[in-house]
Amino acid sequence: KAGVTQTPRYLIKTRGQQVTLSCSPISGHRSVSWYQQTPGQGLQFLFEYFSETQRNKGNFPGRFSGRQFSNSRSEMNVSTLELGDSALYLCASSLASRTEAFFGQGTRLTVV
Amino acid sequence: KQEVTQIPAALSVPEGENLVLNCSFTDSAIYNLQWFRQDPGKGLTSLLLIQSSQREQTSGRLNASLDKSSGRSTLYIAASQPGDSATYLCAALSGNTPLVFGKGTRLSVIA
Repeated sequence: KAGVTQTPRYLIKTRGQQVTLSCSPISGHRSVSWYQQTPGQGLQFLFEYFSETQRNKGNFPGRFSGRQFSNSRSEMNVSTLELGDSALYLCASSLASRTEAFFGQGTRLTVV
Repeated sequence: KQEVTQIPAALSVPEGENLVLNCSFTDSAIYNLQWFRQDPGKGLTSLLLIQSSQREQTSGRLNASLDKSSGRSTLYIAASQPGDSATYLCAALSGNTPLVFGKGTRLSVIA
């Protein structure tokens, strides 16, 4: 059974650009959540999607957006990149809300 | 608002030692608590999930306990090995909020 797949694994972008990250959850899982991990702040919640609906949103600026498709795959987009957006972005999938979360390997975003 | 704390931030032990990692949370009305392992630059690997109705869960050399009344969970690692070196994170799920993570304990097992 395939795990959570995140693409790409690494990205280098310039300030002001935008970026799209992708997450394919475990087959059959309908809940996808995104987290940002930085050395100083730890893991911070970005969004949660369930059956294409955003159920929760973290305290991030509007430059951060996301969506979920009918096949449960999810994307997040960051526009007008800033140096502080450099982080490991992690996606987690769950069968449903309040069940065990399984994480992908993450996308390492570096903004220069 | 749920807050999760992990102490100590770092721990170094000799190989073969049994050890306990601590996790505390402020809101005892949790649905479950999950322990993860993270290797440098990698994603999170789920180790154990304890439902709110459970007191403990075991997997191999790992045992996690949950005491909701005191707002504490512990992860016990028996007979530690160098391969156990990683950062261990706990996360609490409560209400309609997403997982709330502690900052983790960085474990080094010295051969």
